[in-house]
Amino acid sequence: NAGVTQTPKFQVLKTGQSMTLQCAQDMNHNSMYWYRQDPGMGLRLIYYSASEGTTDKGEVPNGYNVSRLNKREFSLRLESAAPSQTSVYFCASSEEETGYNEQFFGPGTRLTVL
Amino acid sequence: GESVGLHLPTLSVQEGDNSIINCAYSNSASDYFIWYKQESGKGPQFIIDIRSNMDKRQGQRVTVLLNKTVKHLSLQIAATQPGDSAVYFCAESSNDYKLSFGAGTTVTVRA
Repeated sequence: NAGVTQTPKFQVLKTGQSMTLQCAQDMNHNSMYWYRQDPGMGLRLIYYSASEGTTDKGEVPNGYNVSRLNKREFSLRLESAAPSQTSVYFCASSEEETGYNEQFFGPGTRLTVL
Repeated sequence: GESVGLHLPTLSVQEGDNSIINCAYSNSASDYFIWYKQESGKGPQFIIDIRSNMDKRQGQRVTVLLNKTVKHLSLQIAATQPGDSAVYFCAESSNDYKLSFGAGTTVTVRA
């Protein structure tokens, strides 16, 4: 099993450009998440999808949109990139277990917005 | 609001010694806690978790202690090895889906 995969690994954008970050998991997990990580900080939740067909805002959703394409895939879109969105983006997934929420993370996408 | 934080941003430890990484949380409703390890250039990796109905849980070379009275969580690593050098994050949850992460502690193992 590959676990959680993310593409691309690196990306440089100009202010105002758009792009979609892709994420897929092969663990048959119900829940998927998008986080961003800035230097010296922990991960902050952007959006999550508790199950296929549902999405909800996290702590920092402004400037982002998501699509839960199917059970395996959860994409993150930046419609008009801004320098403040320069960050490392992590996708994660978890089973739907009552009381436990171990999340499995992908390797990350390093995004720079100029 | 809720916050999860670590007491110290960095920890230097001699190889072979035990490491203790501390974490404080403020949300008394949190009922699930988890520790992650993140190596440079990689995503976080699960180490160990604990529910609020427990005060101690052990894994392979790691122990998590939970003190709900003072809202404190710690991760103990026995016989620290060079491969343990990484950033360690604690996270807490008060529901089944969302985790709140602390800022992380960078552990450096001295040979």
